[in-house]
Amino acid sequence: EPEVTQTPSHQVTQMGQEVILRCVPISNHLYFYWYRQILGQKVEFLVSFYNNEISEKSEIFDDQFSVERPDGSNFTLKIRSTKLEDSAMYFCASTKTGGMYEQYFGPGTRLTVT
Amino acid sequence: GENVEQHPSTLSVQEGDSAVIKCTYSDSASNYFPWYKQELGKRPQLIIDIRSNVGEKKDQRIAVTLNKTAKHFSLHITETQPEDSAVYFCAASMRGNEKLTFGTGTRLTIIP
Repeated sequence: EPEVTQTPSHQVTQMGQEVILRCVPISNHLYFYWYRQILGQKVEFLVSFYNNEISEKSEIFDDQFSVERPDGSNFTLKIRSTKLEDSAMYFCASTKTGGMYEQYFGPGTRLTVT
Repeated sequence: GENVEQHPSTLSVQEGDSAVIKCTYSDSASNYFPWYKQELGKRPQLIIDIRSNVGEKKDQRIAVTLNKTAKHFSLHITETQPEDSAVYFCAASMRGNEKLTFGTGTRLTIIP
């Protein structure tokens, strides 16, 4: 069964550094998402992406964040200048079509900002 | 925006007994309600979902009920087994705005 994949599984970075988290959604999916989960807390929506543009973003997704689909397979989340509070598990998800269908989650990237 | 509340935060159940987790949502426009199971350090995985045009859905030992009027939905697990131990999250979304708004999670522990 196809799966969403993410790299790296764990990223350690220093405060103020830029990080890029990578995701490969399921190949015939059209909608892509980033969520984050601070340790022990709930999963929080960051951004959704469809047809090469952001369709919605949360208040967490400020100017330090950006997303890109640089080619036909990858979907990336960039954090320009990381802060301690960006430490979390970041999940990519994808779905075949919009509206009321299962979102398939990747295994996550644990980001640790020191 | 949508707000989803989930109770209880922790639940311990004897193996073989039933477990019930409840969620309420705030936005009456929400019409899709999935439940995800997350094992320690793993990705959330969908276990069952329900759309607003039905009141109940069952899949073997798992069932979900939806009360649109009261804006709440519940997960029922019967004949619990040790492998059911995990954190369960409810979520809500609506057509045209597919982001999932998650509840705060329930840590379910099955006692052998």
